[in-house]
Amino acid sequence: DTAVSQTPKYLVTQMGNDKSIKCEQNLGHDTMYWYKQDSKKFLKIMFSYNNKELIINETVPNRFSPKSPDKAHLNLHINSLELGDSAVYFCASRSLVGTDTQYFGPGTRLTVL
Amino acid sequence: AQSVTQLDSQVPVFEEAPVELRCNYSSSVSVYLFWYVQYPNQGLQLLLKYLSGSTLVKGINGFEAEFNKSQTSFHLRKPSVHISDTAEYFCAVRGAGGNQFYFGTGTSLTVIP
Repeated sequence: DTAVSQTPKYLVTQMGNDKSIKCEQNLGHDTMYWYKQDSKKFLKIMFSYNNKELIINETVPNRFSPKSPDKAHLNLHINSLELGDSAVYFCASRSLVGTDTQYFGPGTRLTVL
Repeated sequence: AQSVTQLDSQVPVFEEAPVELRCNYSSSVSVYLFWYVQYPNQGLQLLLKYLSGSTLVKGINGFEAEFNKSQTSFHLRKPSVHISDTAEYFCAVRGAGGNQFYFGTGTSLTVIP
C-alpha cells in the first residue's frame, strides 16, 4: 500500500487556469507538508499542517491555497496559474512521535503552457 | 532560521570507488540532520538521520554520515558505490522541536561504470 499518494502524477494546463493537487497519507501521521521543487532540483517548503491546522506558511503567492479536510489529506489549490508555477510538487507527512521520519509522495509534475 | 550548504552540485565517481558528499549547516540551536535520496522521477526517500547519540550514523544501502558539531557538518559517505547509487542527494536540517525542514540544493551523484 502506498504510504503517501498524490494525484495527479502529471498535470499540463494553460496559463490562467485553476487546478488542484490532492495528497493522502495512510500512515496516521499528524503533520503534512507541501514542497515545490524547481527545475534546478531546489526543494522549498510551502505549507505545513498539523492536525488540520496551518503551522507553516512560507512566502508563497496567495494564488496557492492549501486545504486539509482531515488529518490524512492535504490538498493544494492553485488559482490563475502562471508559467513560473511549473515545477514538481511534493507532499510529505511526518509523525511527531516515534521515528520522526518524513515520508514523501511520488510528486506531481505541473507544466503550465 | 537554519540553512544548509551542499558544496558539490555534481559528483562523478567510478563504480566501486568511495564517495563523500559534503553538507554544512548553520544554526545556533540544537538541530536534527537528515540525508535523503531522490531517484529519477521519484519522491525523496530517507537515507539516514541524526537525532542524538552516536555521531556516526548508519543508513540504508551502505551509506553512513558523521555529525560534527564543531565543524557544523554532516557529510555522507559510502566506501564502494554501485551504478544504482546514481541519484540526487539532499541534506536537510530541522531545529530540535521545530516542524520546518530546510533542504540543501542537492548533489547529483553519477556512478560511472
